[in-house]
Amino acid sequence: DAKTTQPNSMESNEEEPVHLPCNHSTISGTDYIHWYRQLPSQGPEYVIHGLTSNVNNRMASLAIAEDRKSSTLILHRATLRDAAVYYCILRFYNQGGKLIFGQGTELSVKP
Amino acid sequence: EPEVTQTPSHQVTQMGQEVILRCVPISNHLYFYWYRQILGQKVEFLVSFYNNEISEKSEIFDDQFSVERPDGSNFTLKIRSTKLEDSAMYFCASSAFPGQGTDTQYFGPGTRLTVL
Repeated sequence: DAKTTQPNSMESNEEEPVHLPCNHSTISGTDYIHWYRQLPSQGPEYVIHGLTSNVNNRMASLAIAEDRKSSTLILHRATLRDAAVYYCILRFYNQGGKLIFGQGTELSVKP
Repeated sequence: EPEVTQTPSHQVTQMGQEVILRCVPISNHLYFYWYRQILGQKVEFLVSFYNNEISEKSEIFDDQFSVERPDGSNFTLKIRSTKLEDSAMYFCASSAFPGQGTDTQYFGPGTRLTVL
């Protein structure tokens, strides 16, 4: 599985946008970029995924660089409830199965 | 919204005892997983299960571990003889579309296992 690199931690203020970066310079053309998050004392939770184009859903937006070597998860207005560890995970297009979690980025949100 | 449930939420056991952790995956899902997270560490894959057999297992999933889908709704993880180092949060997950990189896994709230 291709490797991802994320900052260990980030801080944000409540109601401001948050941009969480992920580098994946060895990504292959058929790897999907997935984001999950883990709220304190809870199981991981799916956030969003994409392949080449930017994606939006009710939780977040995913901006994918043109060369696909990096991506950014965007929370448009951070709330206190968004404080969590965010994981960027690559998945081969025809591979289901296990998720390989790294250390992720711990996001703290200040009121 | 459908969700994965797990019981118990917290299990305390003595070293050497057997424990069974239970999960009810989302009803129309086909692919089931167990992960664990030791306190302060990252989430680790243990095993995946599809079509009533193990699809993949990690090095952690040794002979002390087993999984079973005893009926149409439950999915269990058994640890035969618990060790202190088995103390962790255990998460069950399920997904609808095995074999696709777009599939989404839905996780349960976890069972905290404490081995004394």
